[in-house]
Amino acid sequence: DTEVTQTPKHLVMGMTNKKSLKCEQHMGHRAMYWYKQKAKKPPELMFVYSYEKLSINESVPSRFSPECPNSSLLNLHLHALQPEDSALYLCASSRSGLAGGGTDTQYFGPGTRLTVL
Amino acid sequence: QQQVKQSPQSLIVQKGGISIINCAYENTAFDYFPWYQQFPGKGPALLIAIRPDVSEKKEGRFTISFNKSAKQFSLHIMDSQPGDSATYFCAASRAIQGAQKLVFGQGTRLTINP
Repeated sequence: DTEVTQTPKHLVMGMTNKKSLKCEQHMGHRAMYWYKQKAKKPPELMFVYSYEKLSINESVPSRFSPECPNSSLLNLHLHALQPEDSALYLCASSRSGLAGGGTDTQYFGPGTRLTVL
Repeated sequence: QQQVKQSPQSLIVQKGGISIINCAYENTAFDYFPWYQQFPGKGPALLIAIRPDVSEKKEGRFTISFNKSAKQFSLHIMDSQPGDSATYFCAASRAIQGAQKLVFGQGTRLTINP
């Protein structure tokens, strides 16, 4: 099973709302990722968790707050977003960054389509 | 140093033809080069990948050619089919801080005409 699931599929929120995106994988992967993808652009890395610890934050604004409650789950908490934050938010996972992790395959979920009004 | 350049931006090929997408990278620290296929409204899916110690890898109709000295790699899709119409991203990967960092090319929108 190489599936990464994401919920919800679509989310519409106002600029004062608080919402969360959820990602789950059961492949035993220990690295999990959040990406943001705008239309006709490649995915942009936001955060990386390795062994449930935040290892990379690509200078993402604090209105995005990631959380990794356990090795299978990854959340992205959203608060006071701007309309320009509207995008497809992708979660991915890979086996591990240790010992040759550069050659691990990253598996992506289907994404959450976020619209900020 | 982190860039991956991809061309062309868009490509139209007749059914049964060969589709060719090219990528180039700068950073020699990259050690894995995957290609992802993305359909509208879906997440990217791994298509095929290659390590820099291999010059060519073939899986079905899909072939990666890799030129380490030129720091270039390309995807060939043989006998292209309408179902191959999608956006293709090349990427370069390296291990960093306990995980894997993927740097994507800008993407190629491929259209296969029936």
